[in-house]
Amino acid sequence: DIQMTQSPSTLSASVGDRVTITCRASQSISTWLAWYQQKPGKAPKLLIYKASTLESGVPSRFSGSGSGTEFTLTITSLQPDDFAVYYCQQYNSNSLTFGHGTKVEIK
Amino acid sequence: EVQLVESGGGLVQPGGSLRLSCAASGVTVSSNYMSWVRQAPGKGLEWVSMIYTGGNTYYADSVKGRFTISRHNSNNTLYLQMNSLTPEDTAVYYCARDGGTVTQEGYFDLWGRGTLVTVSS
Repeated sequence: DIQMTQSPSTLSASVGDRVTITCRASQSISTWLAWYQQKPGKAPKLLIYKASTLESGVPSRFSGSGSGTEFTLTITSLQPDDFAVYYCQQYNSNSLTFGHGTKVEIK
Repeated sequence: EVQLVESGGGLVQPGGSLRLSCAASGVTVSSNYMSWVRQAPGKGLEWVSMIYTGGNTYYADSVKGRFTISRHNSNNTLYLQMNSLTPEDTAVYYCARDGGTVTQEGYFDLWGRGTLVTVSS
């Protein structure tokens, strides 16, 4: 299986900060990568797919980039609603795998 | 309203069985690629199983041979039959729709709220 490694595991930030989360794949996955946001007690919400395509309805302060094995999720100007856990997920193979998550907490 | 609603979770003893259901509204289960994804308490997400529109099924190694994904077209419901359960299967189980419209993509654009399965004696 393809392993997905996210960093950092926890990130402390303030409202208005620019935040970057990294996701690395154990082998090349082209741009077959998605990002999700999850809040406590809720289902994950799709933010970005195909590494950089913003899901409909997702604010433009979220953006994704990367290809191959290294990817980033960037949140420009962090908002109060953005404090959550973020997961990356590869779909290069039929055995889908997620990163372990990055918790964005209030500084 | 487009939604997925899971049910069937609960407390089961190790070695036992459980069948989860995912009732869909506003979306046709048989016309979409559908998956089950689980999340152990306080842990991350783990893909469990997928069923293609054509009926092909795929499983994570951790559940292969114990879990079976299926669907019932007439009542627009996705199922997950879980046998030989162990405490490691304790998790919230989500059903999720693949984001692909013509072909399977592999990411999930619609999720249910989940149902909790607890495996304990």
